[in-house]
Amino acid sequence: DGGITQSPKYLFRKEGQNVTLSCEQNLNHDAMYWYRQDPGQGLRLIYYSQIVNDFQKGDIAEGYSVSREKKESFPLTVTSAQKNPTAFYLCASGGWLGGHTGELFFGEGSRLTVL
Amino acid sequence: QQQVKQSPQSLIVQKGGISIINCAYENTAFDYFPWYQQFPGKGPALLIAIRPDVSEKKEGRFTISFNKSAKQFSLHIMDSQPGDSATYFCAASKGGTSYGKLTFGQGTILTVHP
Repeated sequence: DGGITQSPKYLFRKEGQNVTLSCEQNLNHDAMYWYRQDPGQGLRLIYYSQIVNDFQKGDIAEGYSVSREKKESFPLTVTSAQKNPTAFYLCASGGWLGGHTGELFFGEGSRLTVL
Repeated sequence: QQQVKQSPQSLIVQKGGISIINCAYENTAFDYFPWYQQFPGKGPALLIAIRPDVSEKKEGRFTISFNKSAKQFSLHIMDSQPGDSATYFCAASKGGTSYGKLTFGQGTILTVHP
């Protein structure tokens, strides 16, 4: 089935540890995105990538890092510098190099809890 | 200038009723206005979207009304069903290659009672 796969679904981390969230898509989309969701605040953009080997900071990039070595993969690392990392993290993809509908397809999310 | 304000925060309607959720934006460069539906523990899914060259778009029981001069848009769910109970987010972006850089509203938790 075509879609976006995020793993792990749940993750617990001790303060001071870095963690990496995986995001894989088989929709052949060029663009991929990471959003953070907190209760009552909607979703906020962390990082995005419109093409392999290129990515840009979103609105709340501090304390996060990403890589885009393959079209299918866009992992997010939550570093120890992120002051409030407990949140629900959502990965999305969408095609933009011609023929796209404007729709973003989201994964089912990864819930990170810092203990 | 990047904010999208959404109201109400929560909404309870009876089965068969009309659900109305409103959003207001500030940035006049926004060119794409989608609504997403999210069920608990899942990622959001696109419900319906509109661009500012039309004032209304309807897909089944879901309608977006868009008022460019007031910088407001709203989602109407007709004949609301218990299966519509979910969190709804409005969003906006500048369109083109920036369409995926969405600014989201705070969300509305809709509960439809049978």
